[in-house]
Amino acid sequence: GAGVSQTPSNKVTEKGKYVELRCDPISGHTALYWYRQSLGQGPEFLIYFQGTGAADDSGLPNDRFFAVRPEGSVSTLKIQRTERGDSAVYLCASSSAPTGVDQPQHFGDGTRLSIL
Amino acid sequence: GESVGLHLPTLSVQEGDNSIINCAYSNSASDYFIWYKQESGKGPQFIIDIRSNMDKRQGQRVTVLLNKTVKHLSLQIAATQPGDSAVYFCAAPLQGAQKLVFGQGTRLTINP
Repeated sequence: GAGVSQTPSNKVTEKGKYVELRCDPISGHTALYWYRQSLGQGPEFLIYFQGTGAADDSGLPNDRFFAVRPEGSVSTLKIQRTERGDSAVYLCASSSAPTGVDQPQHFGDGTRLSIL
Repeated sequence: GESVGLHLPTLSVQEGDNSIINCAYSNSASDYFIWYKQESGKGPQFIIDIRSNMDKRQGQRVTVLLNKTVKHLSLQIAATQPGDSAVYFCAAPLQGAQKLVFGQGTRLTINP
């Protein structure tokens, strides 16, 4: 079946602009995660949704970052007033785990965000 | 804080040989571990997982070993192929949370 889909695959924008990154999880997966990956590093957690609600947003670096999942399926990560330091690959993952963590998270191919 | 880390940033093996990638973790209460493979320009791909009630788990050409005494796990890839060239990450959930903590990765290169 279809995996996690992320769009766009690449996004180039100027400093100060607003961007939206979209994630379409695996059908039926209730848990959705956003991570950020810098070059040469492992992914770093940003936010986790269980259904429509953000269950853990402790990884969001500041209030310029916000994410929604209004219908419990597709999620959008929003970044306001982008800065050059926001440049990274933004990864989305989904999992069938209803509450516990003992199910693997399956990742999309990410959005490569470049802030000029 | 909790951490997982890989022992070597790079590893080169000859095609057809076996490879072993090692990972250490800090929290003795960690009870679930996942190995991912990441190819250039792609997202991490799930390879295999293991729960702390197991010492060993096998998949297709891959075996994960867990040593809880020394807080170490390894990924063994048998009869490596060029397509195995990638960065490999071990990951574990932060205790009491859903978020995964990743190591920095080992870049595996398969030489022809």
